[in-house]
Amino acid sequence: GAGVSQTPSNKVTEKGKYVELRCDPISGHTALYWYRQSLGQGPEFLIYFQGTGAADDSGLPNDRFFAVRPEGSVSTLKIQRTERGDSAVYLCASRSGSGVTGELFFGEGSRLTVL
Amino acid sequence: AQSVTQLDSQVPVFEEAPVELRCNYSSSVSVYLFWYVQYPNQGLQLLLKYLSGSTLVKGINGFEAEFNKSQTSFHLRKPSVHISDTAEYFCAVSDWGTGTASKLTFGTGTRLQVTL
Repeated sequence: GAGVSQTPSNKVTEKGKYVELRCDPISGHTALYWYRQSLGQGPEFLIYFQGTGAADDSGLPNDRFFAVRPEGSVSTLKIQRTERGDSAVYLCASRSGSGVTGELFFGEGSRLTVL
Repeated sequence: AQSVTQLDSQVPVFEEAPVELRCNYSSSVSVYLFWYVQYPNQGLQLLLKYLSGSTLVKGINGFEAEFNKSQTSFHLRKPSVHISDTAEYFCAVSDWGTGTASKLTFGTGTRLQVTL
C-alpha cells in the first residue's frame, strides 16, 4: 500500500487477555517504530527496529510487551496479560534509512481498550 | 534525556487570524526539532523540521517555525488560518546523540480550533 497500515483499527479485550497488533510499513522502509499514545498525551516511544532487529527497546514499559519483525517488513506488537492501563492508541511509523533526518510516516493507529 | 513542553492544550482562533503554537524543549545536547499535525481519524503528518542552518523553517500548508536556541523554543506560526487547519499539533525533539536510534520525544499536543 501507499502508506503505513495498522490492523486492527480498534480492539476491545478483557483484562488478562493476550493481544497482537500488526503494522505493515511502507514498502522498502528499513526503520520501523512503535509508539503509544494515551488520552490527552503525546506519543511515547516504545521500540525501534532497523531491519529485523530491535535496535532500541528502551520504551517498552515491562516484560508483558514484546515486538517482532521477523522478515524486516511487517511488525507485530504483542501484549500479554493485558491491564486496563494498557488502553491507548498504538502507533506505528516507518522511515527509509537509519538517520533521524528523513521523514517518519505514521499509520492511523490501533486503538486498544482493555475492559 | 530530552523533554518537550507545549503549554497550550487548546488554542481557539477565528478564521483568517494569525496563530502561534508554543513549544519549548529541554536537552543537554544539540537537537533536531519537528512539528507534526494530526487531523481527526488520521495518522500524524510531518509539518516541518529543523535540522540545521537557517533558524526559520517553512513547512506545508503555509506554516513556519523559528528555532531559538537561547530560549530553547520552536514556536509554530501561521499568518492566516483556515477552517481546515483545525487539528492536533505536536512538537517533537530528537537529540543528535541518539544517532541511528533517532527516536522522537513528543509534547502533549495543542488542539487548534478554527472557527468562522
